[in-house]
Amino acid sequence: GQQLNQSPQSMFIQEGEDVSMNCTSSSIFNTWLWYKQDPGEGPVLLIALYKAGELTSNGRLTAQFGITRKDSFLNISASIPSDVGIYFCAGQLGSSNTGKLIFGQGTTLQVKP
Amino acid sequence: DAGVIQSPRHEVTEMGQEVTLRCKPISGHDYLFWYRQTMMRGLELLIYFNNNVPIDDSGMPEDRFSAKMPNASFSTLKIQPSEPRDSAVYFCASSLGSTGGGETQYFGPGTRLLVL
Repeated sequence: GQQLNQSPQSMFIQEGEDVSMNCTSSSIFNTWLWYKQDPGEGPVLLIALYKAGELTSNGRLTAQFGITRKDSFLNISASIPSDVGIYFCAGQLGSSNTGKLIFGQGTTLQVKP
Repeated sequence: DAGVIQSPRHEVTEMGQEVTLRCKPISGHDYLFWYRQTMMRGLELLIYFNNNVPIDDSGMPEDRFSAKMPNASFSTLKIQPSEPRDSAVYFCASSLGSTGGGETQYFGPGTRLLVL
């Protein structure tokens, strides 16, 4: 089936450092979403992207919809301990209008105070 | 809105027992999704519904799993009989389904299932 390749799989960083993660695919997507999952909770939407090239910020978070529509990245600036969790990218295929999202494998982030 | 509601939050059962997980989607959302999350396999889509009708159940592992959506505000995922390898966190999510924002899925808090 369709896959999103999300990297890195995990990160262990020092508080205050910037973080970058990305998702790539061989298929074209018409929507990219980034979710965060806190321990013991369900994924929560962070940022949604709808247009190729779109760059969107939400506080310390910045995400971009790749110009080729096959990739997206998420940056977190000046990380803090509460950034710990699993970050998922998700997208809706360009050929799809089913409501179904394809999810990446997740990036586990740990922040050392 | 209260968001997606799932119950129970935790379930511990013995192998062979029937397990029923419940979900109430966000009011007005036409799509409902059931996911399973494990360390080994990550987040897997099991089945999803549109307007109470199952659209794609290709992710359901085997006949022991079944899902229903009798009305727009309620869905169940049933495992009968349960096995230890079914231990996982099960999430329900809902969305409007339309493009340009409606495809965003909102997740419930999950049901943590442990089958002994």
